[in-house]
Amino acid sequence: DAKTTQPPSMDCAEGRAANLPCNHSTISGNEYVYWYRQIHSQGPQYIIHGLKNNETNEMASLIITEDRKSSTLILPHATLRDTAVYYCIVRTRTGSARQLTFGSGTQLTVLP
Amino acid sequence: DVKVTQSSRYLVKRTGEKVFLECVQDMDHENMFWYRQDPGLGLRLIYFSYDVKMKEKGDIPEGYSVSREKKERFSLILESASTNQTSMYLCASSGQGAGKAFFGQGTRLTVV
Repeated sequence: DAKTTQPPSMDCAEGRAANLPCNHSTISGNEYVYWYRQIHSQGPQYIIHGLKNNETNEMASLIITEDRKSSTLILPHATLRDTAVYYCIVRTRTGSARQLTFGSGTQLTVLP
Repeated sequence: DVKVTQSSRYLVKRTGEKVFLECVQDMDHENMFWYRQDPGLGLRLIYFSYDVKMKEKGDIPEGYSVSREKKERFSLILESASTNQTSMYLCASSGQGAGKAFFGQGTRLTVV
């Protein structure tokens, strides 16, 4: 599986967009990008995933570069409740369950 | 909504005790996982199961065993609890492909 690199921490002002980057330069053609977040003292929560097209749902948008070597998770109007650790994971969609491996993620702090 | 339920939110056990952590999911998912999470070490995969009675070791299986007798239930067993097994334990489940997983709220286990 491709490895991912994320900044350890980021701050964002409440109400502004939070843009969380993820580098996955060794991603394979059949690997998807998944994003999860973990609010303090809770289990991780699935946010969004994509292959190569940009994706949007009620929680966030996912922008994947054309060469697929990096992606950005966008929270369009961050709130204090979005303060969490955000994890970017790259894996095949039909691969082994063992591929669900979490790195160290990005600690996003939304400031009032 | 998908629900993954862990039997206890907090647990205190004595060294040497046999400890059972139970996890139940209600979405008929094939895959189930047990992770532990420690400060500075992130989520680490202990065991996972891709079918009833099937299991595979994750990254840190030593000191643990698992049981999956029914599709909806996945149990983590600490045969003889030790203080270094004090941790947050997280259960997750996912359908085919395993990419989109749903987590329980976690069990904070303290071994004294």
